Amino acid sequence: GQQVMQIPQYQHVQEGEDFTTYCNSSTTLSNIQWYKQRPGGHPVFLIQLVKSGEVKKQKRLTFQFGEAKKNSSLHITATQTTDVGTYFCADAGGTSYGKLTFGQGTILTVHP
Amino acid sequence: NAGVMQNPRHLVRRRGQEARLRCSPMKGHSHVYWYRQLPEEGLKFMVYLQKENIIDESGMPKERFSAEFPKEGPSILRIQQVVRGDSAAYFCASSPTGSGEQYFGPGTRLTVT
Repeated sequence: GQQVMQIPQYQHVQEGEDFTTYCNSSTTLSNIQWYKQRPGGHPVFLIQLVKSGEVKKQKRLTFQFGEAKKNSSLHITATQTTDVGTYFCADAGGTSYGKLTFGQGTILTVHP
Repeated sequence: NAGVMQNPRHLVRRRGQEARLRCSPMKGHSHVYWYRQLPEEGLKFMVYLQKENIIDESGMPKERFSAEFPKEGPSILRIQQVVRGDSAAYFCASSPTGSGEQYFGPGTRLTVT
């Protein structure tokens, strides 16, 4: 079945440093969604990317969808302690409409 | 507009007991999804339901697990004869359509002793 690989599994940064997490698939993704989960919390939707090569920005967050629609990335500029959490990408297409196939997530720790 | 509601938030069951997890979607949402999350792992899809219909149950274990979303009332995820391996966080999500953003509830943390 569809698998979505996400790296790195863990990332520790000093406050103010940048952070990037990558999402890869061996097959073409229909569209991709990104979620953030705070420690002890639930996933919260960040964004959805649909078009090949698409780039979207939300304040300090930049999301990219690869030209071949097989990879995606989330980049955070100048991290803050409020950015702490796990960031997940999810394939929002696949063989079953509506079903999300999540990557393993990247756990981000920000040291003040 | 209240968000997705799940109860109970924490549930402790002994091996062999039954666990019932409830999910009330956001108002106006007729699509419900259940996911399971083991510690420090991603979320695994279990089942996708619309009112009175199971659309996709490809992620549900074949035995002991069942789900429903009746015409009235919340969606229910039922686990019979629980085992220690069922210990996990179970999240419900809802959406107004079958695509796009999913809104997650706070989850039910199930512990099997």
